Amino acid sequence: AQSVTQLDSHVSVSEGTPVLLRCNYSSSYSPSLFWYVQHPNKGLQLLLKYTSAATLVKGINGFEAEFKKSETSFHLTKPSAHMSDAAEYFCVGISGNTGKLIFGQGTTLQVKP
Amino acid sequence: AAGVIQSPRHLIKEKRETATLKCYPIPRHDTVYWYQQGPGQDPQFLISFYEKMQSDKGSIPDRFSAQQFSDYHSELNMSSLELGDSALYFCASSLVATPGGEQFFGPGTRLTVL
Repeated sequence: AQSVTQLDSHVSVSEGTPVLLRCNYSSSYSPSLFWYVQHPNKGLQLLLKYTSAATLVKGINGFEAEFKKSETSFHLTKPSAHMSDAAEYFCVGISGNTGKLIFGQGTTLQVKP
Repeated sequence: AAGVIQSPRHLIKEKRETATLKCYPIPRHDTVYWYQQGPGQDPQFLISFYEKMQSDKGSIPDRFSAQQFSDYHSELNMSSLELGDSALYFCASSLVATPGGEQFFGPGTRLTVL
């Protein structure tokens, strides 16, 4: 079974500085991995997904993530944070063959002016 | 583009009452998933349906049941509600044939049990 671990529960950055949200995965096979964002009192929006086509995945709003098999990592990055990026971010994997999603614990991103 | 629709958006119930949450997937999507997100928690998988048949089951209490209908919409029925059932309930839909299993989430139903 696949599992994901988000290494930071809270990340605080200043506006205009880079963002790094860390995620490690464990899987005995090539995983499918996603990053979802959840703004306060909102639903879950897909930022990007990895499905083995390319190790560097570009998503919406300037986010990207790199799949590193040697490090079993799928960290989310953005070169320059914007105030609107403040939200909860989930690293997500797929468990089994029915497609159910397994969520990491979430990382709260705070962006300071 | 059409998205996943959930109704109601907010629901307030008393303990021991029942609640029914509805989910309307994206047109042509044949798979529906239900997730429960408690306060400050990550979403937890409850149950899923593919082509109107239950395809997987997670940590769903026996007090809860769900089904998918012929038009692919799904309903989550919750009985004997407890305070701990207060949560945000998400429905997601997907097309099983889509590589990578991307799921599209609805806005959620916020259930408050008093």
